[in-house]
Amino acid sequence: QQPVQSPQAVILREGEDAVINCSSSKALYSVHWYRQKHGEAPVFLMILLKGGEQKGHDKISASFNEKKQQSSLYLTASQLSYSGTYFCGTVMGGATNKLIFGTGTLLAVQP
Amino acid sequence: EAQVTQNPRYLITVTGKKLTVTCSQNMNHEYMSWYRQDPGLGLRQIYYSMNVEVTDKGDVPEGYKVSRKEKRNFPLILESPSPNQTSLYFCASSPWGRYPNEQFFGPGTRLTVL
Repeated sequence: QQPVQSPQAVILREGEDAVINCSSSKALYSVHWYRQKHGEAPVFLMILLKGGEQKGHDKISASFNEKKQQSSLYLTASQLSYSGTYFCGTVMGGATNKLIFGTGTLLAVQP
Repeated sequence: EAQVTQNPRYLITVTGKKLTVTCSQNMNHEYMSWYRQDPGLGLRQIYYSMNVEVTDKGDVPEGYKVSRKEKRNFPLILESPSPNQTSLYFCASSPWGRYPNEQFFGPGTRLTVL
């Protein structure tokens, strides 16, 4: 049930773009994205809901393909502050009380 | 300040010695949840609660208990801790709608069971 994230890790230079993917084998109701910096708690980035509604961050965008049960997080013009581990969390149709997280994608932005 | 607090932040204990990790939120959130984080496994949900006296199992509930007697508090109880429960634990709260909303995480509790 745990969503699969790819890539597992990515290294960027400042200003480069990155895409992080999240896919599920089950029909999804919504997808959450969080970022966790080393030694800190995860912090909310955005929610994407079935039907297209999106709530969240103004500098990071994401897409949600309900038919493919996939979401992608787009980080453009990366900044050093984007470094951290990114987690997607999925809420499945029929089990909408549970938020199940993927194993994370480590993003390192270098000067 | 709106926040989720956890205590203790660090705990080293021995196998079999009962312990409680407290979690409290001041945002009047209905939904509260406990996660454990282990390298390579991401965040795994232990238990969650949709409101006072309403709790349910997450994906890894074995060896844990919870209670929700007040809206603001959601303690995690390990009746007989074992070394495989050594982990980083996060409590989170969320306003409840028709689905899990933005989760606000506490600072984490690093537990070591010897």
